[in-house]
Amino acid sequence: SYVLTQHPSVSVAPGQTATITCGGERIGTKNVHWYQQKPRQAPVLVVYDDSERPLGIPERFSGSNSGNTATLTISRVEAGDEADFYCQVWDSSNDPHVIFGGGTKLTVL
Amino acid sequence: QVQLVESGGALVKPGGSLRLSCAASGFTFSDYYMAWVRQAPGKGLEWVSYISSSGSRYYVDAVRGRFTISRDNAKNSLYLELDSLRAEDTATYYCATVGGYNFDSWGQGTLVTVSS
Repeated sequence: SYVLTQHPSVSVAPGQTATITCGGERIGTKNVHWYQQKPRQAPVLVVYDDSERPLGIPERFSGSNSGNTATLTISRVEAGDEADFYCQVWDSSNDPHVIFGGGTKLTVL
Repeated sequence: QVQLVESGGALVKPGGSLRLSCAASGFTFSDYYMAWVRQAPGKGLEWVSYISSSGSRYYVDAVRGRFTISRDNAKNSLYLELDSLRAEDTATYYCATVGGYNFDSWGQGTLVTVSS
């Protein structure tokens, strides 16, 4: 089955840029979605279809996808951005149809 | 405003059964695919099942044959029947709306604990 690989942790100082990657075979041919999950809260969709932002998500969150790597970029990181981030793809020709990456813990120093 | 409220989580013995519910409001429920996603304690997200607006059902292999997803459009409700429960089914179960092949709204989750 298809596998999405994320680094377990990323650390960044406030005001800097955080880069969170999601690796998968030819992931650039798929639509990638990103979720932010703060402690003891439900996940929130922050980027969909590689680079689109849902209403209410700050412009500081952006995404890209090419080749074997999708990337979530958070500019001007704030303390409140600290959370777990998950990538996700949907492919009905695969089993399972929906795959999540293992998650990346973003720590704001 | 979309609201999803799960209920039904409990402590259950291995081999037992449970029914989870998700009450939906703030959108036209019958138009949406709906899904269940779970998260074991301290672990990542795992898709469990989804149901199309017309009632087609899909499951992850780990629960196929043991869990059953269903919906009642008249009651704006989504359900998940959990049978033959195992310790590895212990998790918080989230109800979610399915947007364009993503999960665009989530409930707060309901905890299922399988233990003797």
